[in-house]
Amino acid sequence: DAGVTQSPTHLIKTRGQQVTLRCSPKSGHDTVSWYQQALGQGPQFIFQYYEEEERQRGNFPDRFSGHQFPNYSSELNVNALLLGDSALYLCASSLGGFGATGQPQHFGDGTRLSIL
Amino acid sequence: GENVEQHPSTLSVQEGDSAVIKCTYSDSASNYFPWYKQELGKRPQLIIDIRSNVGEKKDQRIAVTLNKTAKHFSLHITETQPEDSAVYFCAARGGGDTGRRALTFGSGTRLQVQP
Repeated sequence: DAGVTQSPTHLIKTRGQQVTLRCSPKSGHDTVSWYQQALGQGPQFIFQYYEEEERQRGNFPDRFSGHQFPNYSSELNVNALLLGDSALYLCASSLGGFGATGQPQHFGDGTRLSIL
Repeated sequence: GENVEQHPSTLSVQEGDSAVIKCTYSDSASNYFPWYKQELGKRPQLIIDIRSNVGEKKDQRIAVTLNKTAKHFSLHITETQPEDSAVYFCAARGGGDTGRRALTFGSGTRLQVQP
């Protein structure tokens, strides 16, 4: 049973560049949420995709955008990168979108993004 | 939106002792409270969760308690072992309208179990 997989594992970019991160959900899951985890802090919710639509968004600027494909996999895009975007980006999958109360989220290993 | 506070930020115990981590939340409509364990350089792993219609849940050496009136929930680890050393995060999921149902995480507790 494949868990949540993310690619790439590490990425180095410079300020102003654009980046795309990828996530494949756990087998049987249809909902993908993205989180940003700065060093020494808890994950912060970016947005969630369900049925190929962005269903809820956290307090992140529109430089952060995403997409969900028919096979439930998802991409996170960040434009005009800033030094402060350096973080671990985590993808979590679950079942049934936000309509399903208490469905546990399972995390991938994350993508470590460093901005120079 | 939801705000989750977690204490303490660091906790050191002797092997075999118990450890307790406490969290408070602000949104009275929150209805789901998971706990995650994150070892250095690894993914957060769900270790236990509790729903708002339950006051306590136990899984072997780990238990979680929820007080809805006071809006706080706690993680209890008994008979701690060195492999319990990690950062633990609490989280709360908002209830009510769908716009509030994201997971909000606490700032984490670094637990160190001394052999």
